[in-house]
Amino acid sequence: QKEVEQNSGPLSVPEGAIASLNCTYSDRGSQSFFWYRQYSGKSPELIMSIYSNGDKEDGRFTAQLNKASQYVSLLIRDSQPSDSATYLCAVNGDLYNNNDMRFGAGTRLTVKP
Amino acid sequence: NAGVMQNPRHLVRRRGQEARLRCSPMKGHSHVYWYRQLPEEGLKFMVYLQKENIIDESGMPKERFSAEFPKEGPSILRIQQVVRGDSAAYFCASSPLGGDEQFFGPGTRLTVL
Repeated sequence: QKEVEQNSGPLSVPEGAIASLNCTYSDRGSQSFFWYRQYSGKSPELIMSIYSNGDKEDGRFTAQLNKASQYVSLLIRDSQPSDSATYLCAVNGDLYNNNDMRFGAGTRLTVKP
Repeated sequence: NAGVMQNPRHLVRRRGQEARLRCSPMKGHSHVYWYRQLPEEGLKFMVYLQKENIIDESGMPKERFSAEFPKEGPSILRIQQVVRGDSAAYFCASSPLGGDEQFFGPGTRLTVL
């Protein structure tokens, strides 16, 4: 059974701090990794994708991937109250098999002013 | 540049009625996925379709649920004889041919009375 695990939270950080969200996955052959943001009552929004080991930065967001440890994380710098949402980690096992995407249950982040 | 479109956004049905949910993928996207999300839970994969083909329906309940993606028109998720347990948010996502990033529509919130 291929699993994607996230700490459900809630994770609470003060405004301006760094929020660190973590995700582990069980399928060692996984190829592509995604972070989605979901506001309450809304649909998931893709914010980052990462395919290679290391860091990938996009504005205040940095995704980190370590395939050896089967671990992917999302850092949010200078957290804002508007970042308060549930963050979903998604892992795709096969670049050529689009239906192998697995989602974690999500981590709820609260950024306090 | 329209994103993934879903309608209706809200649907109320009485037990035993049929629910039809529609999804139009982003322009240029040929893959469609349906997910179900129960309150406070993660996304659960239901079915993956390409035009006129069901590629993977391993997440679909064996009875009452069906999906199609005809050559012309939107993808349809059909739930026959709805029960209260079918109440959930149903999200459609699409991805382009050769790509694995999935982009979500706004969802249909189904309420079964």
